Amino acid sequence: AQSVTQLGSHVSVSEGALVLLRCNYSSSVPPYLFWYVQYPNQGLQLLLKYTTGATLVKGINGFEAEFKKSETSFHLTKPSAHMSDAAEYFCAVSEGGGNKLTFGTGTQLKVEL
Amino acid sequence: GAVVSQHPSWVICKSGTSVKIECRSLDFQATTMFWYRQFPKQSLMLMATSNEGSKATYEQGVEKDKFLINHASLTLSTLTVTSAHPEDSSFYICSASTGAGSPGLSYEQYFGPGTRLTVT
Repeated sequence: AQSVTQLGSHVSVSEGALVLLRCNYSSSVPPYLFWYVQYPNQGLQLLLKYTTGATLVKGINGFEAEFKKSETSFHLTKPSAHMSDAAEYFCAVSEGGGNKLTFGTGTQLKVEL
Repeated sequence: GAVVSQHPSWVICKSGTSVKIECRSLDFQATTMFWYRQFPKQSLMLMATSNEGSKATYEQGVEKDKFLINHASLTLSTLTVTSAHPEDSSFYICSASTGAGSPGLSYEQYFGPGTRLTVT
């Protein structure tokens, strides 16, 4: 069985500040890990994913995440927040490619001036 | 590449009627499609997984007779909400996966823009 825990349902940062969204996972097999962003009344857009190989993954819009097996974590970071980053972010885990995703409960990111 | 569309984007129907939502992969063949529902300010919950040409696999607690899923071709899956009631009002999102992989695409799921269903 697989599960995802996102700590902090709401995160607020100042524009230009570091963004850190936390994600911990549980999986019985080597996981595939994903971060998605969702804007109001829209579908999900993939930010980045980890499957195998390099544990530091770079995605779109300046986001990156690091897979840490020992900590079962896949935290999402961005060095400098922009107003356009305000959205809902979901971490997800899959046991292999093409298989069903299990989502975390989401983190609402607010960016303030 | 890897575009998934949904139609309609929003629909309002009366209680007791049925509603069909279409999910199409526009530029790739999707051997597997997934249907999720999302309540306001909540996460996505997987409803069912469908593979082309075979019956859908429903998650525990999802009524298969109420949420009919058809995956008749490699580019189209439909979700029909039968005898809809206000509690079925939700945001329904589909995703498509190439399964075995296609040139230029990975195993990931590609998401549609969602369909907002309101049952009055």
